[in-house]
Amino acid sequence: DARVTQTPRHKVTEMGQEVTMRCQPILGHNTVFWYRQTMMQGLELLAYFRNRAPLDDSGMPKDRFSAEMPDATLATLKIQPSEPRDSAVYFCASGPARALDGQHEQYFGPGTRLTVT
Amino acid sequence: QKEVEQDPGPLSVPEGAIVSLNCTYSNSAFQYFMWYRQYSRKGPELLMYTYSSGNKEDGRFTAQVDKSSKYISLFIRDSQPSDSATYLCAMSRDTGRRALTFGSGTRLQVQP
Repeated sequence: DARVTQTPRHKVTEMGQEVTMRCQPILGHNTVFWYRQTMMQGLELLAYFRNRAPLDDSGMPKDRFSAEMPDATLATLKIQPSEPRDSAVYFCASGPARALDGQHEQYFGPGTRLTVT
Repeated sequence: QKEVEQDPGPLSVPEGAIVSLNCTYSNSAFQYFMWYRQYSRKGPELLMYTYSSGNKEDGRFTAQVDKSSKYISLFIRDSQPSDSATYLCAMSRDTGRRALTFGSGTRLQVQP
């Protein structure tokens, strides 16, 4: 059963600390997305990769957030320094490389619940 | 104004009822339409996927897209308590950019 995996599932940290979240996309998927979900804003796109190259990170606060894909099986999202307003659930999603028929579906991981105190 | 509007609910129905969930959108460039189901403290799960206008049926679920009205719907027949969740619509453009724009979600409660 192919799934997107994310670690850690929960993270509590103090303001100013570095936070690293990891994601393993479904094997064979070539697109990876990072989303943030809060009650107030809903699901917001932070960054988007295709074939490991960043295509869109316009939703990400550049001064403190960074996203990378060191290899095809790992995506990371870092926050440094973290702030209380970063408290949210961070989801990673991956999508298949079906360019010919243009399918755009995405499959989500279970999320990392981040609390910054 | 948000690009995608969705009534947050909650929508409460008795078991066995037909449920209708809806989204409206403003951007005519959207071509791909999806419905996700999200249980509490879980990630969104893809339910239905539709390209352009028309209907698509999968078991008890039917997705409809009316691009002329910029309106999409998800119908759930014979609703079950296990259908209680938040339902999010999502859509994307017909270009290479596959980022989804989500509605805020409708919370559905199916009463046994």
